Amino acid sequence: GENVEQHPSTLSVQEGDSAVIKCTYSDSASNYFPWYKQELGKRPQLIIDIRSNVGEKKDQRIAVTLNKTAKHFSLHITETQPEDSAVYFCAPKGNSGGYQKVTFGTGTKLQVIP
Amino acid sequence: GAVVSQHPSWVICKSGTSVKIECRSLDFQATTMFWYRQFPKQSLMLMATSNEGSKATYEQGVEKDKFLINHASLTLSTLTVTSAHPEDSSFYICSARRLAGGAYEQYFGPGTRLTVT
Repeated sequence: GENVEQHPSTLSVQEGDSAVIKCTYSDSASNYFPWYKQELGKRPQLIIDIRSNVGEKKDQRIAVTLNKTAKHFSLHITETQPEDSAVYFCAPKGNSGGYQKVTFGTGTKLQVIP
Repeated sequence: GAVVSQHPSWVICKSGTSVKIECRSLDFQATTMFWYRQFPKQSLMLMATSNEGSKATYEQGVEKDKFLINHASLTLSTLTVTSAHPEDSSFYICSARRLAGGAYEQYFGPGTRLTVT
């Protein structure tokens, strides 16, 4: 199956600084690369995604970059705010076993210090 | 659009009893739904893929006789935890897949917190 890892596992930044979270995956057939934000006790919320034919996508303060050759993609948050504090998961979609399957990364706990 | 609901949001049951959790896609049809389990401070672990009108596909290590999944319609999938034990206490989250713009997107339910005493 797909191996998905995130780094770092925890990240503390000062408000206004940038945060970068990296996700590495093993399935070279993966073709969809989303990032989810999960606040404590709540459902994961899709915040940005990218597909395999695009290298970078930006939505206001959030961006995702993809390097398919190296099999990793990253979440970039600029001008961080306290409400960005949450756990972030990557969840690349592969084609393991003949059917499309999403595997969640290990998660990164982001703390934005006011 | 793309709202997924779960019921109940939390449940406490005694060891040995069964609990049923419902997952509904409210404004779209979902031929495929997924069930995840999440322990505190851990990631979401896929338990099974639920396909409408056919048997669910379980991930390795998940007991299909213990976690019964029924995808009765295009908007409803249920997960029944049979003979629950304290170690089954967890946050169970479903998601429904929708085809949008030529690609599949996944939407999550709010989760069900199960506590087995």
